[in-house]
Amino acid sequence: AQSVAQPEDQVNVAEGNPLTVKCTYSVSGNPYLFWYVQYPNRGLQFLLKYITGDNLVKGSYGFEAEFNKSQTSFHLKKPSALVSDSALYFCAVRDSGGYQKVTFGIGTKLQVIP
Amino acid sequence: EAGVVQSPRYKIIEKKQPVAFWCNPISGHNTLYWYLQNLGQGPELLIRYENEEAVDDSQLPKDRFSAERLKGVDSTLKIQPAELGDSAVYLCASSPRDSPYNEQFFGPGTRLTVL
Repeated sequence: AQSVAQPEDQVNVAEGNPLTVKCTYSVSGNPYLFWYVQYPNRGLQFLLKYITGDNLVKGSYGFEAEFNKSQTSFHLKKPSALVSDSALYFCAVRDSGGYQKVTFGIGTKLQVIP
Repeated sequence: EAGVVQSPRYKIIEKKQPVAFWCNPISGHNTLYWYLQNLGQGPELLIRYENEEAVDDSQLPKDRFSAERLKGVDSTLKIQPAELGDSAVYLCASSPRDSPYNEQFFGPGTRLTVL
């Protein structure tokens, strides 16, 4: 069975500082990995994905994520946080082997402090 | 391009009453998903449609939940009768086709409160 762990319920960071939101995963085959963001009273919005190739993936709004196969991690990063980045972030995984539905993590609340 | 549309946005009902949610996916998207999102949790798949066919409904509580996508476009999710534990956000998402490496496009959700 596949699973996703987001070990931090909340991450606080000062505006202008770099941010990291952590995600680790477990799949039996090769992983397809996604990050989504959810603003209050809104649906999830796609940020970026890792399918294959370069371990550093760049996405929307200046976000990037680093795939680390040995550590089974896919941490979300941004060099300089904005107050408007404050939201709920979900990591998701899908196994490339056979049909598997997408499994989402429980989400990490990012609070950027002015 | 219009996004995924859901209605209503909010619904408050008494327990044992029926309720229905509607979703219109992005035009041309063959795959439609219904998810349940409880407070403090990630979305959990209820059912996936490929065109008008429900190809994965293993997580749908069929004793009280039903869904349809008659013409392969918009979809309705129904609960009858609703229970207190059904209070949650119901999300609809779509994608051009169900591929492991395709991202999904989500609607704003319907927040259901069962009293």
